[in-house]
Amino acid sequence: QSVLTQPPSVSGAPGQRVTISCTGSSSNIGAGYDVNWYQQLPGTAPKLLIYGNRNRPSGVPDRFSGSKSGTSASLAITGLQAEDEADYYCQSYDNRLSGWVFGGGTKLTVL
Amino acid sequence: EVQLVESGGGLVQPGGSLRLSCAASRFTFSNYWMSWVRQAPGKGLEWVANIKQDGSEKYYVDSVKGRFTIFRDNAKKTLYLQMNSLRAEDTAVYYCARVGVQPLWGQGTTVTVSS
Repeated sequence: QSVLTQPPSVSGAPGQRVTISCTGSSSNIGAGYDVNWYQQLPGTAPKLLIYGNRNRPSGVPDRFSGSKSGTSASLAITGLQAEDEADYYCQSYDNRLSGWVFGGGTKLTVL
Repeated sequence: EVQLVESGGGLVQPGGSLRLSCAASRFTFSNYWMSWVRQAPGKGLEWVANIKQDGSEKYYVDSVKGRFTIFRDNAKKTLYLQMNSLRAEDTAVYYCARVGVQPLWGQGTTVTVSS
């Protein structure tokens, strides 16, 4: 049972837009802590996709965007491509645990 | 290149011990909180522990309290995780990560606890 809640799976056709939600609580996202998003391809380390709720590291396409409101955050991917098929995780900080918390991960399937 | 490189993983019997290391390069290691995160086979990411810049504060997930110890050597720019009384459920890829506005992760080291 992850502290942050994500849908187990989402899917979309090439070129479409999909969103992945991440719901937390008053001790993490709702407390104002930033949300980061990671993309993980099979057998590889997580790759930082979005940091500070909405910022993209250098090299991440602007097809990826993040937002945050209240106790939730979202990752949007536009212009879906086959290479976007991966697992996506949200992450924040929790002041009750004094550490990072993660969503359970969302598997994106490009149809 | 700014990076973190983990080492020390391997196969260990239940009840055994292992020490993981994470070497930092090309950033001021002593300026950052650092964390360990793990991922069991086929599972999601789980935060394990973190440590303050000077080592004065340390926090752990409940499942490893009393068994794992996080510590650091700022002079060597290295983070460690001492793992004792290992259990099968500790089997995972262990990542070290730099905590900050833009987190930085290593590539991970695999720990397998099995007889």
